[in-house]
This record gives sequence, C-alpha cells and structure tokens, in this order.
Amino acid sequence: DAKTTQPTSMDCAEGRAANLPCNHSTISGNEYVYWYRQIHSQGPQYIIHGLKNNETNEMASLIITEDRKSSTLILPHATLRDTAVYYCIVRVGWSNQGGKLIFGQGTELSVKP
Amino acid sequence: DAGVIQSPRHEVTEMGQEVTLRCKPISGHDYLFWYRQTMMRGLELLIYFNNNVPIDDSGMPEDRFSAKMPNASFSTLKIQPSEPRDSAVYFCASNGKRGGLNTEAFFGQGTRLTVV
Repeated sequence: DAKTTQPTSMDCAEGRAANLPCNHSTISGNEYVYWYRQIHSQGPQYIIHGLKNNETNEMASLIITEDRKSSTLILPHATLRDTAVYYCIVRVGWSNQGGKLIFGQGTELSVKP
Repeated sequence: DAGVIQSPRHEVTEMGQEVTLRCKPISGHDYLFWYRQTMMRGLELLIYFNNNVPIDDSGMPEDRFSAKMPNASFSTLKIQPSEPRDSAVYFCASNGKRGGLNTEAFFGQGTRLTVV
C-alpha cells in the first residue's frame, strides 16, 4: 500500500470549511484514497473514498488531483463535533483483503468556536 | 443494527494474568479485524479473518497473543501472560458485502486494557 503524508495538526473555525490535505505521490493505478476519522476515545469511522473522480457524500467531499498524487478532504461547515484525528489511507479496493487498513499518524483537526 | 460489539469496555489486570477480549461483528460480515492503539505506535493491525479463517497474523506482536474466531458471530483476542506494555486500546472491526461488493470497515468502541 502507498505511503501517505499528512500535516500533524490543523485548526479550523467553527462554521468554516476544513480542508485536510494528503500527499500520496507513490499511489498505484488500482489504489483508492480512503478517509477515516477518530473522535477521542471512539473507534475509527469511515468518511469517504475515491479512485480518481471527486466524490461527495453527506459527511464530506473528496478532491483528488488529476495526477492522483494528492487529495483534499473537505468538511464544508465544520462543527465542534468534527474535532478528531483524520486518517488518509491509500490501498487497493475493498474487494481485496476486505477492509484491511494500515493507519498512519493522521491529522489532528481542532475546530474552535 | 447494533454495530460491532466489544467486551469488556475496560479491563484492568495484573501482570502475568490471562486476558481475553471479545468481539461480536456485524451480522453477515465475513471479514473481522483486530487492531491495537497506543500513543507511541498509533493504530496497528494485529490479525484479520475471512470467513472465520485467519488470513494474516503478521501483526501479532508475540506468541503471548492469540486470536480465534470459532464462528461467524464471535472472536476472541487472548493475551497470556499479560505484561504492562500490552496496555492499549484494542479495537475490533468488521466488513461485509452490500450489493455484491465489499463495504467499508466498521469499528467497535474498543476495549481499554491496563496491565499493572
């Protein structure tokens, strides 16, 4: 699985968009970008994933650059409850190895009033 | 659905004692994962099962750790004997299929283990 690089921490004002970057310059053609988050003392929670097209769901949007070497997770209107560690994970699709995930250190997002 | 259920939520035990952590995956899910989380090492995959069969146990730290999945609705992670450095939060996760395609992994709330 490709290695990812994320900033250690970020701050965001409540109500503003939170943009979390991830670099994955060694991503392979069959690898997806997955985002999970972990709110303090809870298990990780799936957010979104994508291959090469931008994706949006009820939680967030995922923007993947055309060369697929980086991506950005966007929380359009961050709330205090979005304070968490966000993990960007690159791996092959779920059809292989089920939901096996290799976690890096992630980005600690603090949403402030 | 109740989600992935882990028990106990908290466990405090003395060094040298046997510890058993339990997990009930989401019904119908055929993959089950055990992870460990510490401040120093973050989230680490220990072992995972597919259809109750262990597929990859390369993350299991030592022979003191063992995991079983006797049926599709139950798995255990056992540490014998336990040591203070085993103190961590242990997560169980599962995923299955929806519309013929594998879904994302769902995590339990974790078991916080403290070995004194």
